[in-house]
Amino acid sequence: EAGVAQSPRYKIIEKRQSVAFWCNPISGHATLYWYQQILGQGPKLLIQFQNNGVVDDSQLPKDRFSAERLKGVDSTLKIQPAKLEDSAVYLCASSSPGAGSRTDTQYFGPGTRLTVL
Amino acid sequence: GENVGLHLPTLSVQEGDNSIINCAYSNSASDYFIWYKQESGKGPQFIIDIRSNMDKRQGQRVTVLLNKTVKHLSLQIAATQPGDSAVYFCAEADTGANSKLTFGKGITLSVRP
Repeated sequence: EAGVAQSPRYKIIEKRQSVAFWCNPISGHATLYWYQQILGQGPKLLIQFQNNGVVDDSQLPKDRFSAERLKGVDSTLKIQPAKLEDSAVYLCASSSPGAGSRTDTQYFGPGTRLTVL
Repeated sequence: GENVGLHLPTLSVQEGDNSIINCAYSNSASDYFIWYKQESGKGPQFIIDIRSNMDKRQGQRVTVLLNKTVKHLSLQIAATQPGDSAVYFCAEADTGANSKLTFGKGITLSVRP
């Protein structure tokens, strides 16, 4: 079974530029997550989708970050304009609801390492 | 606010020894816990999980122990191998609220040959 795919793997931009990340979840997984992982810290949830609807975006800096999952499969995360503090690894994860379970195992992609200069 | 944290930032063990990685959590409503392993340049990889109605769960070479009284979680790795070298994260969730995971900061496990 193919895992979660992400691209690009690395991106270097200057502050105030825009950047976009792409994620393709595991086939059949209805739930998709975007996390931000700053060096030395655990991942922090930015946004969670259930199919193409947003479940939780409470920690997404909406003045500069946006995400979409128009057809309920692939997703893109955009930052516009980027700040120095956005330098981090952006992880995508997906999960599939189990019968009677509200918490499902999340499978992570390799992440995109963003450096903002 | 609520947080999940790890006691030690690094752990060095001899190959073949057992490893114990500890984690403290402070959200008393958390009822689901997961350990993830993250190797350099990769995303977190699921190792093992446990629900609050259990105090111990075993997998292949790994055991997770949950002590709800003191809000403590540990991961035991038997016969540690060089391939176990990675950063380990504990994560917790209150499934009564949502499925949102809160991760701790991570601890680096280094295996000496």
